[in-house]
Amino acid sequence: SQTIHQWPATLVQPVGSPLSLECTVEGTSNPNLYWYRQAAGRGLQLLFYSVGIGQISSEVPQNLSASRPQDRQFILSSKKLLLSDSGFYLCAWTSSGNEQYFGPGTRLTVT
Amino acid sequence: AQSVTQLDSQVPVFEEAPVELRCNYSSSVSVYLFWYVQYPNQGLQLLLKYLSGSTLVKGINGFEAEFNKSQTSFHLRKPSVHISDTAEYFCAVLKSGGSYIPTFGRGTSLIVHP
Repeated sequence: SQTIHQWPATLVQPVGSPLSLECTVEGTSNPNLYWYRQAAGRGLQLLFYSVGIGQISSEVPQNLSASRPQDRQFILSSKKLLLSDSGFYLCAWTSSGNEQYFGPGTRLTVT
Repeated sequence: AQSVTQLDSQVPVFEEAPVELRCNYSSSVSVYLFWYVQYPNQGLQLLLKYLSGSTLVKGINGFEAEFNKSQTSFHLRKPSVHISDTAEYFCAVLKSGGSYIPTFGRGTSLIVHP
């Protein structure tokens, strides 16, 4: 069966520090991968998606970036965090193009 | 482009009462429809989906939804809720046939009181 992992589960970082969140999927190949962010009490905001290794599409211009160095690995990064980057970050995958499967999320607090 | 409107941001209900969470969508093309549930501090989990066929779709945890093309709605229902159903519920729409990006509603918080 397929599983999706995200780490870390929680993170507290000072403003201006770098960020790296990792997402890996097991049990499938060539998935479409997605990064979402949820601000407190709000809905999902799509940040990036990828349909293959090295193929990244950005939905929201900001100080975040994403990379897909391997087929089932998706990394979200920032060189300098802002207070507004705080939120709950969710990774998701789909193979059929229909329903998405979400990871457990990373709670990021920028102080 | 598609859009999704979840008409209620919060729905309070007593345990064992029925509940309906409303979802309306807008699209000029055929779509697939989904309901997801999110428990506190967790990722989203698929409740049910409509791709084609019967307009009444049954999902996990006793939930069901009915696709109404003329009213462009996909309301979620449960005849008797439990305390454990307290969660955030998201409706989503995806253009059928090759689209990668679903559009999510802003979510409805279901609060079940004892």
